[in-house]
Amino acid sequence: GAGVSQSPSNKVTEKGKDVELRCDPISGHTALYWYRQSLGQGLEFLIYFQGNSAPDKSGLPSDRFSAERTGGSVSTLTIQRTQQEDSAVYLCASSYGGGNTDTQYFGPGTRLTVL
Amino acid sequence: QQQVKQSPQSLIVQKGGISIINCAYENTAFDYFPWYQQFPGKGPALLIAIRPDVSEKKEGRFTISFNKSAKQFSLHIMDSQPGDSATYFCAARFGGSYIPTFGRGTSLIVHP
Repeated sequence: GAGVSQSPSNKVTEKGKDVELRCDPISGHTALYWYRQSLGQGLEFLIYFQGNSAPDKSGLPSDRFSAERTGGSVSTLTIQRTQQEDSAVYLCASSYGGGNTDTQYFGPGTRLTVL
Repeated sequence: QQQVKQSPQSLIVQKGGISIINCAYENTAFDYFPWYQQFPGKGPALLIAIRPDVSEKKEGRFTISFNKSAKQFSLHIMDSQPGDSATYFCAARFGGSYIPTFGRGTSLIVHP
């Protein structure tokens, strides 16, 4: 079946512009996660959605970052007034239930470059 | 503060050799330790995972060794193949948490 898909695969933007990154999770998965992967760094948690519960936004680095999940499926990560330090690969993952040992399935990521 | 320390940062191994990647953690509440494999241009994928009630878990050529007292765990790749060339991340989660803490990754290159 289809895995997690993300679009665009690459995004180049100018400093100060807003960007939107999209994630389509695996059908039936109730949990959705966003991570940021910078060169030489591990995966940095950004935000977590589980069903209809309020999202866990504890990993968002600043108020320029926001995310929403519509209809419990597709999610959009928005970065306002992008900065050069926002350049990274943004990964989305989904899992069936969000439990402690639940397997997270990752998308291929969106590589964001801020000039 | 980095809660999961991974080493080495990069590793070069000859085909047929053993690749060993080590991780150390600080939080004794961690109770689930997955390893992820990431190929260029792809997202990470779960490779193998272990709970601290066992000292070793083996799946094919991949083995996790776990030392609870030392708070260390490692991934061994036996008979390493060029197709194993990827970045490997260790991670740790504790009960009630859905968010793993990741190590910084190890870039493995297996030469033919």
